[in-house]
Amino acid sequence: DAEITQSPRHKITETGRQVTLACHQTWNHNNMFWYRQDLGHGLRLIHYSYGVQDTNKGEVSDGYSVSRSNTEDLPLTLESAASSQTSVYFCASSDFAGTSGTYEQYFGPGTRLTVT
Amino acid sequence: KQEVTQIPAALSVPEGENLVLNCSFTDSAIYNLQWFRQDPGKGLTSLLLIQSSQREQTSGRLNASLDKSSGRSTLYIAASQPGDSATYLCAVVDGNEKLTFGTGTRLTIIP
Repeated sequence: DAEITQSPRHKITETGRQVTLACHQTWNHNNMFWYRQDLGHGLRLIHYSYGVQDTNKGEVSDGYSVSRSNTEDLPLTLESAASSQTSVYFCASSDFAGTSGTYEQYFGPGTRLTVT
Repeated sequence: KQEVTQIPAALSVPEGENLVLNCSFTDSAIYNLQWFRQDPGKGLTSLLLIQSSQREQTSGRLNASLDKSSGRSTLYIAASQPGDSATYLCAVVDGNEKLTFGTGTRLTIIP
């Protein structure tokens, strides 16, 4: 079955270190998204991509970067981790579903990142 | 900027009752609306998706309605069960496929 996976599921890192969170989907979806979830803020969009070599900034993109070299993967990099980036990170993908006539997003299980 | 509000933030009801969760949004120019369920420490599971041209969608004991002109959606859960306990999130999709989420309603079903 098609799925979307994230790794690692849990990560503890120190302030100032570079961290990369992986996202891999086997839906063959063109569109991929990264969100962070924090108490009191809900889920907020970090970066998104509509296809290979395409990346766009979301609502809270400062301190994060993404690259899209193939359809299946959208890794999220924290250039220099900060304590404010302690959060749960979710990856999602979507594509146009001809039968339903709309886009529906599917989410990965999340990565819990702690920056000490 | 789109803003999505879910009230109440938390709700407890006895098992067997029917209940309604509310979602409101400020910009009616949406492409569709999704309701998700999130269990503690888990990811999001899509429950229902309503296209902007639709009024409602049903799946089992769940029924979601959409009134785009007034910026409101409701999720109706019939005959609630303890297994329905979770956080329910609504999200609206704009023309660029970006989701804007509400902060959720934490539902507890009391056996």
